[in-house]
Amino acid sequence: GQSLEQPSEVTAVEGAIVQINCTYQTSGFYGLSWYQQHDGGAPTFLSYNALDGLEETGRFSSFLSRSDSYGYLLLQELQMKDSASYFCAVTGGGNKLTFGTGTQLKVEL
Amino acid sequence: DAEITQSPRHKITETGRQVTLACHQTWNHNNMFWYRQDLGHGLRLIHYSYGVQDTNKGEVSDGYSVSRSNTEDLPLTLESAASSQTSVYFCASSESIRGGDTEAFFGQGTRLTVV
Repeated sequence: GQSLEQPSEVTAVEGAIVQINCTYQTSGFYGLSWYQQHDGGAPTFLSYNALDGLEETGRFSSFLSRSDSYGYLLLQELQMKDSASYFCAVTGGGNKLTFGTGTQLKVEL
Repeated sequence: DAEITQSPRHKITETGRQVTLACHQTWNHNNMFWYRQDLGHGLRLIHYSYGVQDTNKGEVSDGYSVSRSNTEDLPLTLESAASSQTSVYFCASSESIRGGDTEAFFGQGTRLTVV
């Protein structure tokens, strides 16, 4: 089976940098994804890492270490609109997508 | 534009009734997924399908069934609704790409209340 762990809540101030960690245990692994979900909305895709290292997309970066079964999402220059839940997800065999329990990010002035 | 739509958006039903939630995508994706979302549990996989006539159980499949008769639709049926199935249900689809590097697109969700 698969299990993913991430912090339940993180708080940061506008303009700061925040890192959301994710550790996983899986029986099959292709890559680690990150999704964002605003209250009342649907999850939307942010990034995908299949190989070790850092992937950067604008203010967001995602990191993967396959040997440590660990990844993180880095959000820079935080804005109020970044307040949302963030989910890591493992793509296992056959593109099956398993999600973590989510991290609620609160951005304060 | 391609999209994925769920219906209804809100549903109230009584315990013991059969309920079907619809999911329709125009992405022409082979992979389709049903998740339920409950506070503290994130998104839990109910059933998934890799193509027509293919269905697979996820981690919380008891009390649910799906069928895939065409590429576009994956309806989710609650055989006999229970209060424990009160939740928000999300359908998602993704393209089959070797290595899993593929974005999943989600519907807007169906809020189901079983009374």
